[in-house]
Amino acid sequence: EADIYQTPRYLVIGTGKKITLECSQTMGHDKMYWYQQDPGMELHLIHYSYGVNSTEKGDLSSESTVSRIRTEHFPLTLESARPSHTSQYLCASSGPGETQYFGPGTRLLVL
Amino acid sequence: GENVEQHPSTLSVQEGDSAVIKCTYSDSASNYFPWYKQELGKRPQLIIDIRSNVGEKKDQRIAVTLNKTAKHFSLHITETQPEDSAVYFCAAPNNFGNEKLTFGTGTRLTIIP
Repeated sequence: EADIYQTPRYLVIGTGKKITLECSQTMGHDKMYWYQQDPGMELHLIHYSYGVNSTEKGDLSSESTVSRIRTEHFPLTLESARPSHTSQYLCASSGPGETQYFGPGTRLLVL
Repeated sequence: GENVEQHPSTLSVQEGDSAVIKCTYSDSASNYFPWYKQELGKRPQLIIDIRSNVGEKKDQRIAVTLNKTAKHFSLHITETQPEDSAVYFCAAPNNFGNEKLTFGTGTRLTIIP
């Protein structure tokens, strides 16, 4: 079944550690996105990609980086995690239409 | 950039009654307006969207209306049921291709049995 997958689903890590949040999709979509969402709050776009080798920054400034080497894969990396990075990170993708489909999210806690 | 305001932030409705959530946007060039529903602990899911060439769109108990002149759009849920309890987000595009969405702050809807 076509879906969007995120791993890990939960992550507790110490300050200063490097982390990579994985996102993969079997939707066959070209466009992919990363959002940051505090519980019950609005979603903020931090990165997006039109396709392979394309990455753009969103409206919310973020210390994270992304890469898009394969169409189905869009990982997000934090070189040095801080408590201010504690949040939920949602990956999404879209095809020819505008509808964005979301993954289940990764809840990150930085101690 | 696009600015989206959403009201109310919380809404409690008796089961069977109607619920209305309103959003305003700032960019008159915006032409695509989705609504997402997010249940507790779940991912956001699109429930309905509308494009600027129509004023209203319905899907069973859910409808969205758009007033381009006033730059606002509203979500209407009729005959509410307990499973409608969730946080609802509106959004508007922040770029020409509609990839960059600006989301509203969300409305927590509670259906009272």
